[in-house]
Amino acid sequence: DSGVTQTPKHLITATGQRVTLRCSPRSGDLSVYWYQQSLDQGLQFLIHYYNGEERAKGNILERFSAQQFPDLHSELNLSSLELGDSALYFCASSKAAGTDYGYTFGSGTRLTVV
Amino acid sequence: TQLLEQSPQFLSIQEGENLTVYCNSSSVFSSLQWYRQEPGEGPVLLVTVVTGGEVKKLKRLTFQFGDARKDSSLHITAAQPGDTGLYLCAGDSGSNQFYFGTGTSLTVIP
Repeated sequence: DSGVTQTPKHLITATGQRVTLRCSPRSGDLSVYWYQQSLDQGLQFLIHYYNGEERAKGNILERFSAQQFPDLHSELNLSSLELGDSALYFCASSKAAGTDYGYTFGSGTRLTVV
Repeated sequence: TQLLEQSPQFLSIQEGENLTVYCNSSSVFSSLQWYRQEPGEGPVLLVTVVTGGEVKKLKRLTFQFGDARKDSSLHITAAQPGDTGLYLCAGDSGSNQFYFGTGTSLTVIP
């Protein structure tokens, strides 16, 4: 157990739908990062939150959004889902906002859009 | 944009053999990390290197950061089946987050 909790572990939904993925960071970590992993694109950085504030955006589509709540858990919202959104979505946490510390990853949410 | 290219993409070797995985970029990195990922799990941090020319050893794994901080290598001595997994390098090129490489899938055959 890495200490980073992601729910749900698996999600199957239809095209056009909206889903919410949840992440609880490791105790004491203030940063949360979201990544998308697919076979053809590898691990792609989506977005970074630090202590409730958005710090950086990567290759995140406009149909996707995220937030980090006061208790530091984070949610990634995916809307108007397309078949190509099927992927593993990982959350990682870190103590600080920079890269002085390594990332601790959760076990991921496998999203299948049918 | 994929900043980090890893080679080889796939590697299948016999138990006991040695291997080297490469991570290359045209960008300079302030720090670089190596992770291993097993099926159904998230990546797990193996090592962080920050100084050009730095060499770190973790049991049978040796990590090297290039002098110009644009590349890195991971060498495994006497590979074991437990080394099987996806090896990922990740670099910070000044954006203050890590971007991951394309990955090397290693299979060690008993």
